[in-house]
Amino acid sequence: EVQLVESGGGLVQPGRSLRLSCAASGFTFDDYAMHWVRQAPGKGLEWVSGISWNSGSIGYADSVKGRFTISRDNAKNSLYLQMNSLRAEDTALYYCAAAVAGYFDYWGQGTLVTVSS
Amino acid sequence: QSALTQPASVSGSPGQSITISCTGTSSDVGGYNYVSWYQQHPGKAPKLMIYEVSNRPSGVPDRFSGSKSGNTASLTISGLQAEDEADYYCSSYTSSSTLERVFGGGTKLTVL
Repeated sequence: EVQLVESGGGLVQPGRSLRLSCAASGFTFDDYAMHWVRQAPGKGLEWVSGISWNSGSIGYADSVKGRFTISRDNAKNSLYLQMNSLRAEDTALYYCAAAVAGYFDYWGQGTLVTVSS
Repeated sequence: QSALTQPASVSGSPGQSITISCTGTSSDVGGYNYVSWYQQHPGKAPKLMIYEVSNRPSGVPDRFSGSKSGNTASLTISGLQAEDEADYYCSSYTSSSTLERVFGGGTKLTVL
């Protein structure tokens, strides 16, 4: 059974940092590019960042470029998102998603990040 | 990185057909056959329903179909059922990078 389990979310003050993790199982992790997609409360989906299977290619949405860093550890079947200089508008449910091609095959259940003083 | 354009809401009665549009540009929807559609029920993670414009993953009913013309992709659901009531999002590969993706704003489907 494919599983993506996100963790690391929580309440954080503006300007502070948080590191999200995503543990993958049930599929060949290093066959897939991995992505973070977020959903603000009551809003739609927003692509945040993606990383190729070997970390050779990385991309970020303009809204997080320079503040967020994506990484992966294929030996641990894990994906990470280091989020710095957090803003209120970063408040969202953060999903990790696996993509073998141009679409998201598998999704986790998400971890909630709330940025508030 | 502008979002794709979807109608905010559509509705239909059980047994009817509905179509949800997804309009982009030649840099995303119109330029590639990597349009996908996702269904999201309240409190749940998105689920892949259509990939590469018109392909259905295993387990997705054939009542769901996808197409594309120019810069607009469409999701059609025929024989509407109560459980189809959900939010639907389109997504596309973009020319900005091999990893960047763009989503539509989402469409709330109501089954009357």
